[in-house]
Amino acid sequence: DIVMTQTPLSSPVTLGQPASISCRSSQSLVHSDGNTYLSWLQQRPGQPPRLLIYKISNRFSGVPDRFSGSGAGTDFTLKISRVEAEDVGVYYCMQATQFPRTFGPGTKVDIK
Amino acid sequence: QVQLVESGGGVVQPGTSLTLSCAASGITLSNYAMHWVRQAPGKGLEWVAVISYDGSRRYYADSVKGRFTISRDTSKNTLYLQMNSLRAEDTAVYYCAENSYGYWGQGTLVTVSS
Repeated sequence: DIVMTQTPLSSPVTLGQPASISCRSSQSLVHSDGNTYLSWLQQRPGQPPRLLIYKISNRFSGVPDRFSGSGAGTDFTLKISRVEAEDVGVYYCMQATQFPRTFGPGTKVDIK
Repeated sequence: QVQLVESGGGVVQPGTSLTLSCAASGITLSNYAMHWVRQAPGKGLEWVAVISYDGSRRYYADSVKGRFTISRDTSKNTLYLQMNSLRAEDTAVYYCAENSYGYWGQGTLVTVSS
């Protein structure tokens, strides 16, 4: 199974300041079709997960452009350019390159 | 507008069975692979199972293989998760999700306790 790790596991941030979360996979996420199926999900308190980014850097419909994804191979990053109060929650990276699908442990983002 | 609505959760004893449903609207399940993902209380996300768009392929997490069965009824546009031999460690909120993970239900809580 592909193991996903995230750093940091907790990130207190100041409103209006940037935030960054790293995700690393235990093996390359490049699929045989050439795509890299690395996604980022946000889970606000008491809510189901919400897709933010798919295939490394593509924002899902309705996701604000302050969210961006980057990376390649086994190392990926989610950046929030200016954190807003509604961004509080837990962020997960997830690989959909092979089965079983696996998630990172989650990074809790809250306001200082 | 895509909507996924799970139901069927509850409190059950270890060793018993339960079937979860996920009613879909705004999408036709026969066009999409569908997943079940669960989240134990206070824990992270765990992928459980997937059924392909045509129903011909199913994959399971090792933790549920042989005990859980994913299926669907295209006439009802509904996804199912049949859960047998339930264990305390199966206690979780169960979510259904469309293959892109862009659409999730609100989840249904399953508690396995004596």
